[in-house]
Amino acid sequence: EAQVTQNPRYLITVTGKKLTVTCSQNMNHEYMSWYRQDPGLGLRQIYYSMNVEVTDKGDVPEGYKVSRKEKRNFPLILESPSPNQTSLYFCASRLGDSGGYTFGSGTRLTVV
Amino acid sequence: AQSVSQHNHHVILSEAASLELGCNYSYGGTVNLFWYVQYPGQHLQLLLKYFSGDPLVKGIKGFEAEFIKSKFSFNLRKPSVQWSDTAEYFCAVRTTSGTYKYIFGTGTRLKVLA
Repeated sequence: EAQVTQNPRYLITVTGKKLTVTCSQNMNHEYMSWYRQDPGLGLRQIYYSMNVEVTDKGDVPEGYKVSRKEKRNFPLILESPSPNQTSLYFCASRLGDSGGYTFGSGTRLTVV
Repeated sequence: AQSVSQHNHHVILSEAASLELGCNYSYGGTVNLFWYVQYPGQHLQLLLKYFSGDPLVKGIKGFEAEFIKSKFSFNLRKPSVQWSDTAEYFCAVRTTSGTYKYIFGTGTRLKVLA
């Protein structure tokens, strides 16, 4: 089944403790993105990647890192999480310029 | 900067009522346009998309949208909603030059009363 898989689905952590949210897609898509969803703000892009080793900042990249060493994986790294990063995170992928995004199931992160 | 506006934040309809959700964008160049739906507790799914050609596009589940270039709009419509259409709907715009941004609107929560 074609899908984007994110893990974990739920995560509660403490301020400053480094964490990684994994994302993997099995559709051979070039483009991958991370979004955060907050009430009243919709989806805001954190980082995106156009292909292996090619990444760029989205609208809200502060406090996040990404890497794209393989085409299928696009992990999101929070080096020192803070409470304002409490949010619902979605990974998504798409095929080239003509596709809509396929989204993962989301990761609900709480930083206390 | 490019932006996407969805002016209706919350919409409540009775079953069988007609639906129209507004979406306007600010960008002077060529765009690709999308509508996504997010059912409660789920991830976003693509409803329909417009790239070129007929400005009236049909999507899944009986939804359609019309691109009106002169109004920078891409409104979503459904002639008769069902209780199962209760969800949040997001409009998205992808610019096709410059920074090639893919921008989502803030969403419209639709509640359909049985």
